[in-house]
Amino acid sequence: EADIYQTPRYLVIGTGKKITLECSQTMGHDKMYWYQQDPGMELHLIHYSYGVNSTEKGDLSSESTVSRIRTEHFPLTLESARPSHTSQYLCASSPTGGNTIYFGEGSWLTVV
Amino acid sequence: AQSVAQPEDQVNVAEGNPLTVKCTYSVSGNPYLFWYVQYPNRGLQFLLKYITGDNLVKGSYGFEAEFNKSQTSFHLKKPSALVSDSALYFCAVRDFLSSGSARQLTFGSGTQLTVLP
Repeated sequence: EADIYQTPRYLVIGTGKKITLECSQTMGHDKMYWYQQDPGMELHLIHYSYGVNSTEKGDLSSESTVSRIRTEHFPLTLESARPSHTSQYLCASSPTGGNTIYFGEGSWLTVV
Repeated sequence: AQSVAQPEDQVNVAEGNPLTVKCTYSVSGNPYLFWYVQYPNRGLQFLLKYITGDNLVKGSYGFEAEFNKSQTSFHLKKPSALVSDSALYFCAVRDFLSSGSARQLTFGSGTQLTVLP
């Protein structure tokens, strides 16, 4: 069982608010990822990191930003939330040289 | 570019019957193939993977998948379905660029499996 944690699990916020979704892993994995998933739909990679101070944008354009100051921590921030940001956000990690990606439980964001 | 297709949005099967969830892929090189399962309101859980070796891969919860290179398929199977297997299943593929670095994982659109009691 992988140890990757996301908070909050569920959040309802108003339009224009700033929100940070937290993601932490205790496995020492260098690679971390953020995926966006609408209910029952495919996953889309929005951000990834190969190590501290490394961040890249993924396949799906996103208005969110990420940071990687510590190996274990990969928070995602929305400066001004909009209803179109309503979705599930899944954090994941994998070890360098490893092929399996481990996922957190997900954060459900609803912007009203 | 790599891609993966799950041709069935929904699969229904009676409890105790064998189940198959289909996945086909397209890559330029040798693929690494994965299956993940997602239960309602949960994150994805890793089921199994194919990297190399035997074409039949065994994974968690009694699931297995068969890699078929000629048909570019990686179908997920289980000999006897359980009601608790009802979930959303994702196939994923990763291949490698000519530089040797791995591409990111590409997921299929998902297949909702419902096992009927």
